[in-house]
Amino acid sequence: KAGVTQTPRYLIKTRGQQVTLSCSPISGHRSVSWYQQTPGQGLQFLFEYFSETQRNKGNFPGRFSGRQFSNSRSEMNVSTLELGDSALYLCASSRLEDNEQFFGPGTRLTVL
Amino acid sequence: AQSVSQHNHHVILSEAASLELGCNYSYGGTVNLFWYVQYPGQHLQLLLKYFSGDPLVKGIKGFEAEFIKSKFSFNLRKPSVQWSDTAEYFCAVNARAAGNKLTFGGGTRVLVKP
Repeated sequence: KAGVTQTPRYLIKTRGQQVTLSCSPISGHRSVSWYQQTPGQGLQFLFEYFSETQRNKGNFPGRFSGRQFSNSRSEMNVSTLELGDSALYLCASSRLEDNEQFFGPGTRLTVL
Repeated sequence: AQSVSQHNHHVILSEAASLELGCNYSYGGTVNLFWYVQYPGQHLQLLLKYFSGDPLVKGIKGFEAEFIKSKFSFNLRKPSVQWSDTAEYFCAVNARAAGNKLTFGGGTRVLVKP
């Protein structure tokens, strides 16, 4: 079956702009989590959505937000971009029952 | 809050050598434990996981890991590495009370010389 897909794969923005990233989970998976990966901070949890509700949130400022739709697809939004937001943003999906998460290829965001 | 530490940032070894990567976590409750691998240019893939039961778990590609509860450790091992094992390896912990939130270690870059 198809894996987790993320669009776009690459994105270049300038400071102050906002960006929306999209994630389509594996069919049947209802939980979607987002992570930020940077060389300095490694992999950090942003938030998790299940049944259109945010179930968990990491320690990121309010500029980072997300949502989940009824078909389990998820989007994350970053407003007022800063240079430090340059990172690989990873989406992971899982069935709720077993917590095993499957990761997508990520969206590489560069903020200039 | 839980934390995960991986002892080695970089490991260089030759083919056929044995590999052991250390992982310790800090959390007082019940956890699920994972090792993920990220091959160059590819996305994170699950190597193995521990939820309960036998503390010695076997994963894909000949990897295994041992959960030692008293030491809060979950070390990854492979008896004989291949050049294709060159990758970055991440240990991750999920506190069962925290939904699907994974806390990752800093990663270990492994270079296997042919």
